[in-house]
Amino acid sequence: DSGVTQTPKHLITATGQRVTLRCSPRSGDLSVYWYQQSLDQGLQFLIQYYNGEERAKGNILERFSAQQFPDLHSELNLSSLELGDSALYFCASSVSGTANTNYGYTFGSGTRLTVV
Amino acid sequence: EDQVTQSPEALRLQEGESSSLNCSYTVSGLRGLFWYRQDPGKGPEFLFTLYSAGEEKEKERLKATLTKKESFLHITAPKPEDSATYLCAVQAPWNSNSGYALNFGKGTSLLVTP
Repeated sequence: DSGVTQTPKHLITATGQRVTLRCSPRSGDLSVYWYQQSLDQGLQFLIQYYNGEERAKGNILERFSAQQFPDLHSELNLSSLELGDSALYFCASSVSGTANTNYGYTFGSGTRLTVV
Repeated sequence: EDQVTQSPEALRLQEGESSSLNCSYTVSGLRGLFWYRQDPGKGPEFLFTLYSAGEEKEKERLKATLTKKESFLHITAPKPEDSATYLCAVQAPWNSNSGYALNFGKGTSLLVTP
């Protein structure tokens, strides 16, 4: 157990629907990062939050949004889902706004999203 | 734009057959190069961070090295339990798009057979 908790583990939904993925960071970590992993693209950075504020934005679609709450858990909202959104979504955390010297980011076990 | 390229995409080794995985990168002002291991259906697990050319780090049968353009992950006398996907990532200086986010390569899928 890495200490980063992601729920749900699996999600199957229909095109056009909206889903919410949840992440609880490792205790003491202030930064949360969201990544999307597909077979052809590898791990793609979506967005980062640090202590409740958006810190950096990567290749995140306008249909996707995220937030980090006062208790530091984060949610990734995916709307108007398309078949191509099927992927593994990972959350990672770190103490500071950058990767830790000794262990980089700590990743959760991911949410596998299947859009049918 | 920063780029990370890993080769080969897939590698099959016999148990005990040593080899190396390559990670080539182009980034201005590398802050760190990270190696992760990922098992099927699981999140990446941190292995090493390297910061400057010439640096080496070891962990059990794995040894990571860094030059100004690439990093190698050497696997000595691998065992079947070393089978996994190995990911390389770079951290560049802060930029307005991705902040300090790690930029990952697509990985090398390693299979070690008995």
